[in-house]
Amino acid sequence: DQQVKQNSPSLSVQEGRISILNCDYTNSMFDYFLWYKKYPAEGPTFLISISSIKDKNEDGRFTVFLNKSAKHLSLHIVPSQPGDSAVYFCAASASGTGNQFYFGTGTSLTVIP
Amino acid sequence: DAGVIQSPRHEVTEMGQEVTLRCKPISGHNSLFWYRQTMMRGLELLIYFNNNVPIDDSGMPEDRFSAKMPNASFSTLKIQPSEPRDSAVYFCASSSPAGFSYNEQFFGPGTRLTVL
Repeated sequence: DQQVKQNSPSLSVQEGRISILNCDYTNSMFDYFLWYKKYPAEGPTFLISISSIKDKNEDGRFTVFLNKSAKHLSLHIVPSQPGDSAVYFCAASASGTGNQFYFGTGTSLTVIP
Repeated sequence: DAGVIQSPRHEVTEMGQEVTLRCKPISGHNSLFWYRQTMMRGLELLIYFNNNVPIDDSGMPEDRFSAKMPNASFSTLKIQPSEPRDSAVYFCASSSPAGFSYNEQFFGPGTRLTVL
């Protein structure tokens, strides 16, 4: 069963606007969350992470928000740029699982110039 | 560093044939992960190794799948016999020791497998 879910397979946003990508999880033991970005014909690359002791982490144009009570996290990209067009994967991990990540199905973001 | 290296990048084979995918992790990394990417399930973890020892292979779909890590710098994922439903992109990833915190996984470019 999918423990990490990304219910929006795709998202289109105008350049300069905000992109919001959502992720839900079911396992309350998850305490670390990551976003990976994937371009076609390449492997996923790490983008940003957040620990469960925080509710927000910011890195430049990218901010991840965590709502533990709702088991929900989101990635905000502001402002969106055409180079941000990629597939974004949400991932989660739990203490004691040896750095094992559970990934979602991905959201394909298209930023329209 | 060259990053995680996977070969081949593309593989086309016929149903029933044996397929072997190869991975060289980043030097110094002691954890290695094999994933399969499909539209329906996203990135599925198939198996992972710590210090060359398989830790969790619960994601391996069937006995037709097997993985080995004979040393710290090489791993294989074998499918025998292959079936059309095995067609997917297979990724290898590695990470350094997690210690008391999590460490990001570094992914290779993937092998696109097509079974006819």
